[in-house]
Amino acid sequence: GAVVSQHPSRVICKSGTSVKIECRSLDFQATTMFWYRQFPKQSLMLMATSNEGSKATYEQGVEKDKFLINHASLTLSTLTVTSAHPEDSSFYICSARDMGGVYEQYFGPGTRLTVT
Amino acid sequence: KQEVTQIPAALSVPEGENLVLNCSFTDSAIYNLQWFRQDPGKGLTSLLLIQSSQREQTSGRLNASLDKSSGRSTLYIAASQPGDSATYLCAVSASGYSTLTFGKGTMLLVSP
Repeated sequence: GAVVSQHPSRVICKSGTSVKIECRSLDFQATTMFWYRQFPKQSLMLMATSNEGSKATYEQGVEKDKFLINHASLTLSTLTVTSAHPEDSSFYICSARDMGGVYEQYFGPGTRLTVT
Repeated sequence: KQEVTQIPAALSVPEGENLVLNCSFTDSAIYNLQWFRQDPGKGLTSLLLIQSSQREQTSGRLNASLDKSSGRSTLYIAASQPGDSATYLCAVSASGYSTLTFGKGTMLLVSP
């Protein structure tokens, strides 16, 4: 099946610094990728939809200047958490939509961000 | 606005039992429905995808059915094993280009 990778899997950073998370589709091209956030024992919350070559579409309540998304190629999207604060600590998951066939979404393994 | 509900929220069964997880959605105009598995601290693994025109899909011990008109899907797990312990998420898509709407999941524990 299709594989989506995320890097890093875990990151600890100090308050005020920025962190970049990469999401790659390894064996298919994805014109659309999605970024989710998940709190403990909660379901996934969609943060934004990332389209290759254009600006991301953010969900209501998500600060676009804080969560910068770049989708520069058909296999890579990045999420940068700028000026991170402890409340940004969370599990971030990306997914990529395979546009061939049934438009199935494949999910990455997630990135655990801890801001101290 | 689409809403997805999963019942039960948690389920604990002894090994070997057959079990059913339920998913319901409020807007029957869906494009497809996916069942996922999530292990603690991990990403989502796609289990089954059912197109709106399909009634069911099977993979190994898993069988998912879809009744689009009534807004329901079930995931049937046969002969459950401790390795099946995980959270199971149901999600629907309104079109091939839209986002997924997730339920809150069913946390399954299969004890040896």
